[in-house]
Amino acid sequence: EPEVTQTPSHQVTQMGQEVILRCVPISNHLYFYWYRQILGQKVEFLVSFYNNEISEKSEIFDDQFSVERPDGSNFTLKIRSTKLEDSAMYFCASSRNTGLAGGVEQYFGPGTRLTVT
Amino acid sequence: DAKTTQPNSMESNEEEPVHLPCNHSTISGTDYIHWYRQLPSQGPEYVIHGLTSNVNNRMASLAIAEDRKSSTLILHRATLRDAAVYYCILDIIQGAQKLVFGQGTRLTINP
Repeated sequence: EPEVTQTPSHQVTQMGQEVILRCVPISNHLYFYWYRQILGQKVEFLVSFYNNEISEKSEIFDDQFSVERPDGSNFTLKIRSTKLEDSAMYFCASSRNTGLAGGVEQYFGPGTRLTVT
Repeated sequence: DAKTTQPNSMESNEEEPVHLPCNHSTISGTDYIHWYRQLPSQGPEYVIHGLTSNVNNRMASLAIAEDRKSSTLILHRATLRDAAVYYCILDIIQGAQKLVFGQGTRLTINP
């Protein structure tokens, strides 16, 4: 069964450093998402991406964050200058299509644990 | 965002059915009802979704009230592997289908 993969599984970085989290969505999916979950808290939406542009982003997704689909398979989340509060699990997800018809499931990856020290 | 209300936690025994309730009294006519779950140390996993009619799949059943203000996720025979946090989410059709997670219901399965 196809699945979303993410690398690395755990990333440790120092405050102020740039990090890139990588995701390989399911191959025939067209919509891509990033979510994050701070330890013990809710899963929070960050950004959605379709047709090489951002469809929607949350308040969390400020100028320090960017997303890119550099080739036909990868989808990346970059944090330019990490802060301590960026420490969280970051989940990538993908879906076949989106809510114009409603009721489309998203498939999540296993996550990357980002620790900022 | 339309809100859902779920109990914080529930407990059941292995091989027994589990009924997980969700209230969504402000649901609008085009909102789909989705259920996801998150096993310990894993990403969320799609379980089931529906609009008006009850739905069944290999994982679970979804019973939707006639007025759509509430729904129930039914696990017919719980296993230890079903211990997870279950999220009831409204899929609001307004573009890119972001999922808005609440705190969910933490389901404990006793052997």
